[in-house]
Amino acid sequence: AQSVAQPEDQVNVAEGNPLTVKCTYSVSGNPYLFWYVQYPNRGLQFLLKYITGDNLVKGSYGFEAEFNKSQTSFHLKKPSALVSDSALYFCAVRERGNEKLTFGTGTRLTIIP
Amino acid sequence: GAVVSQHPSWVICKSGTSVKIECRSLDFQATTMFWYRQFPKQSLMLMATSNEGSKATYEQGVEKDKFLINHASLTLSTLTVTSAHPEDSSFYICSARSLAGYQETQYFGPGTRLLVL
Repeated sequence: AQSVAQPEDQVNVAEGNPLTVKCTYSVSGNPYLFWYVQYPNRGLQFLLKYITGDNLVKGSYGFEAEFNKSQTSFHLKKPSALVSDSALYFCAVRERGNEKLTFGTGTRLTIIP
Repeated sequence: GAVVSQHPSWVICKSGTSVKIECRSLDFQATTMFWYRQFPKQSLMLMATSNEGSKATYEQGVEKDKFLINHASLTLSTLTVTSAHPEDSSFYICSARSLAGYQETQYFGPGTRLLVL
């Protein structure tokens, strides 16, 4: 079975500071890992993914994430937060061979001006 | 690229009526489409998975006779909520996965908010 944990419901960061949104996963085999962002009353927007290759993945809007196999983590990071980054962030995992994405419970990121 | 649209974005209906929600992949062909439901301040709950031309696979606890899914083509899937009741009020989001090019990534529609009175 595959699962994802986002241990923080809420993360507050001052504008201009670096941000990290945490995600850990559990799969039996090799994972595909994703980050999505959701703005109020909207669907999910794809940010970035890890499939294979470099552990550091760069995505949209200056976000990046690092795949750490030993720690089974895929934390989302950005060097300098913007107020417009305030949103709900979902980490998701799909085990190779499994059709379904499993989502974390989401982390609400608030950037404080 | 990789745009998924949903229509309508908002729908208000009376209890007992049926509501159809359309999901389209605009610039790619989707072998597989997914329907999710999201309650306020909660994560997405997968309702069903549909492959073009075949019957949808429903998750445990999802009534297939109530939530009818049709995946008629590689770019269109529909979800019909039959005999809707207030407890069906929710945010419904579809998602599509591509044949090629964007493979391994699911792209999501903007969602449809359903309110049943």
